[in-house]
Amino acid sequence: AQRVTQPEKLLSVFKGAPVELKCNYSYSGSPELFWYVQYSRQRLQLLLRHISRESIKGFTADLNKGETSFHLKKPFAQEEDSAMYYCALSNTGGFKTIFGAGTRLFVKA
Amino acid sequence: GAGVSQSPSNKVTEKGKDVELRCDPISGHTALYWYRQSLGQGLEFLIYFQGNSAPDKSGLPSDRFSAERTGGSVSTLTIQRTQQEDSAVYLCASSFPTSGVTGANVLTFGAGSRLTVL
Repeated sequence: AQRVTQPEKLLSVFKGAPVELKCNYSYSGSPELFWYVQYSRQRLQLLLRHISRESIKGFTADLNKGETSFHLKKPFAQEEDSAMYYCALSNTGGFKTIFGAGTRLFVKA
Repeated sequence: GAGVSQSPSNKVTEKGKDVELRCDPISGHTALYWYRQSLGQGLEFLIYFQGNSAPDKSGLPSDRFSAERTGGSVSTLTIQRTQQEDSAVYLCASSFPTSGVTGANVLTFGAGSRLTVL
């Protein structure tokens, strides 16, 4: 069965500090993994996907199949990064997509 | 349309009443998804459509919940005999999945329908 686990409901860091939002998954096939973000009073939107191996707004995420993880990282957090972050997994073929419970990131000045 | 449109944006109803939530996806998007967002529960998968058919209804919480999609476009999520625990934000998303292309299924979300059951 597919499952996405985000162990932290809330993560609070100071501006300029590194941040890591954890995501672990369970899936028997080849997963397709994404991070979505929801800023205050905005719609949920894609942040990045593992296949792109890109950095978006300074965030990166590496798929570690051995540890079944897809943690989101940023070396220097900014106040505007404060938002709700969801890790998501699509099954092979990429149709059904499930989400984790989300982590609220709060960046303090 | 320019984006995924959901209506109503807010709905307050009395316990036991039926409600219908509507989703108008991006034109040309073949896949449509319904999720429920509630405090502490994250984003709970309900159902998804590929065209007009629903390959996976496993997330529907009970037989009070049903959804349909007609013409490969608009979808309606119906909750019968609403209960207080149905109170949540119901999110709709659509996508144009490209089979065999990894990472291609990017979901575009609507603003959600906030349901409050008194």
